[in-house]
Amino acid sequence: DQQVKQNSPSLSVQEGRISILNCDYTNSMFDYFLWYKKYPAEGPTFLISISSIKDKNEDGRFTVFLNKSAKHLSLHIVPSQPGDSAVYFCAASEGGGADGLTFGKGTHLIIQP
Amino acid sequence: GAVVSQHPSRVICKSGTSVKIECRSLDFQATTMFWYRQFPKQSLMLMATSNEGSKATYEQGVEKDKFLINHASLTLSTLTVTSAHPEDSSFYICSARGLATHNEQFFGPGTRLTVL
Repeated sequence: DQQVKQNSPSLSVQEGRISILNCDYTNSMFDYFLWYKKYPAEGPTFLISISSIKDKNEDGRFTVFLNKSAKHLSLHIVPSQPGDSAVYFCAASEGGGADGLTFGKGTHLIIQP
Repeated sequence: GAVVSQHPSRVICKSGTSVKIECRSLDFQATTMFWYRQFPKQSLMLMATSNEGSKATYEQGVEKDKFLINHASLTLSTLTVTSAHPEDSSFYICSARGLATHNEQFFGPGTRLTVL
């Protein structure tokens, strides 16, 4: 049973526009959520995180929104740049981030010039 | 940002042999290290959590006698795949966190294991 779901395997966005990546979770014990960017044969690179006590966190071009009642979070990238093309993983954790992470299957973001 | 390295980056071995993978935190002390595995086109799956100086905690379905984890120092954890078989072929990734990382996990570059 997959506790973290990313239902879009891929997403294509034009350069300069907003990219919105979505993630749903089922485990109500998750209280810390993260987004990672990953290239093939490399480890994930941390992008941004959010605690369950917040509903929004912003860092430069990246904003993460959390809707606890819907058990949904999203990552907004604006403006999208060609270097943003990668696979994006949503991850969740219990214990305020102290525990190991449960990952979604990833969304391959393709930024079109 | 915090840097985590893994060695080797790629290893090919014969079935039945054991392979050791090292994970090092280069510029911070890692109180906790995690080991993940990723099969092709799949998500990263947590295998085990190790805290420095104590035994690793394994996730359900992960054989602790097959995947030996040692976290002997605050900068080094090792994963040994014992008696490797072709089904153990995968991409193994470690992560580390500590006070200096504000408890965020930073990932190593991964190790591609191929068992013939």
